[in-house]
Amino acid sequence: DTGVSQNPRHKITKRGQNVTFRCDPISEHNRLYWYRQTLGQGPEFLTYFQNEAQLEKSRLLSDRFSAERPKGSFSTLEIQRTEQGDSAMYLCASTGSGPGEQFFGPGTRLTVL
Amino acid sequence: AQTVTQSQPEMSVQEAETVTLSCTYDTSESDYYLFWYKQPPSRQMILVIRQEAYKQQNATENRFSVNFQKAAKSFSLKISDSQLGDAAMYFCAYSAGTSYGKLTFGQGTILTVHP
Repeated sequence: DTGVSQNPRHKITKRGQNVTFRCDPISEHNRLYWYRQTLGQGPEFLTYFQNEAQLEKSRLLSDRFSAERPKGSFSTLEIQRTEQGDSAMYLCASTGSGPGEQFFGPGTRLTVL
Repeated sequence: AQTVTQSQPEMSVQEAETVTLSCTYDTSESDYYLFWYKQPPSRQMILVIRQEAYKQQNATENRFSVNFQKAAKSFSLKISDSQLGDAAMYFCAYSAGTSYGKLTFGQGTILTVHP
């Protein structure tokens, strides 16, 4: 297993465009998390999936954000009508069970022009 | 709401010396977990060490150890025999036992290791 992967690694888009990011967790992990990290800050929780069920969403996740995890495997995070304030690193993490170690992906860096 | 505070934006240490990174947190939960994560420049975040709040004994992982003061809500990380590869951003993180494991992070401390 090669760990958590995220694609694309970098995305540059114009304001108002839609973007979609993908996360492939470690295969046996049923818990998946999305975080957002702005430059020089700690990551902030966005949303959590247990298998295919989205069980928690942060208030940071506005109506323009949507996340899915079909069949409890990979997950996608879509941002509609991007704004410059959406520019950040979007991190995905997975874990097997309980409040144990979360394994992080390399992140997708989004730049909104 | 739970908060995690790292009051040292930057720290530096000489190679082979010891450095301590500070972290305080605020919670009303009795069951929780504390973590230190390391984020090297342009690389993935990895777990350094974990502490369960119900355990009185401080966690240790090789050169890394914590000083967990539950009453003071303090959770510092000590790095002994610092190595050049320890240079990174270090994040203190909290997870409530009642949550789904979501992490609340501090602002981070940039650690520089001088040869």
